[in-house]
Amino acid sequence: DAKTTQPNSMESNEEEPVHLPCNHSTISGTDYIHWYRQLPSQGPEYVIHGLTSNVNNRMASLAIAEDRKSSTLILHRATLRDAAVYYCILLANAGGTSYGKLTFGQGTILTVHP
Amino acid sequence: DAGVIQSPRHEVTEMGQEVTLRCKPISGHDYLFWYRQTMMRGLELLIYFNNNVPIDDSGMPEDRFSAKMPNASFSTLKIQPSEPRDSAVYFCASSLGSWRNTEAFFGQGTRLTVV
Repeated sequence: DAKTTQPNSMESNEEEPVHLPCNHSTISGTDYIHWYRQLPSQGPEYVIHGLTSNVNNRMASLAIAEDRKSSTLILHRATLRDAAVYYCILLANAGGTSYGKLTFGQGTILTVHP
Repeated sequence: DAGVIQSPRHEVTEMGQEVTLRCKPISGHDYLFWYRQTMMRGLELLIYFNNNVPIDDSGMPEDRFSAKMPNASFSTLKIQPSEPRDSAVYFCASSLGSWRNTEAFFGQGTRLTVV
């Protein structure tokens, strides 16, 4: 299975942008890149996903490198409610034994300061 | 829809007892997942189902763990007999289609304490 590497922790100030990096140098050609986050005492929640092109939604933006070996989750204006663990996950291509298998790594603990 | 519903929210049991965790996925979703979370090991995928059929149970730690999905609206995770090292938060999640291109929705979890 392709693996991801994220920094253990990052800090930000409220209302500033946050760029959360993820390295996935062994990504397969059709693996999707998903981001989830887990707020304290809650289950994980979906943030965004992409394949090759950059993606935007109401929560965040996802910037994917041209070679797809890395990606960056962008929170445009961090709030205190964005303090969470952020997980970068690769979703395996259909047909393989890992199809559909969402595997979480250790993620990045984001601290947001007032 | 009320989202993924797990019960109970908290369970305290004695070592050796049988524990059953329950999950009601979002109506219409055809994938269901069971995870376990501990400080030491993080979030681990235990097993997942597609259309009520187990697809991958390689994450089930040992024979004491079993999971069933008798119909599209209900799943159970059973531990028999339970041990203190099974203490963790257990999450159930469901999704429509596949993980690749759709989001998964998680329940609030069941916090299990085995004493």
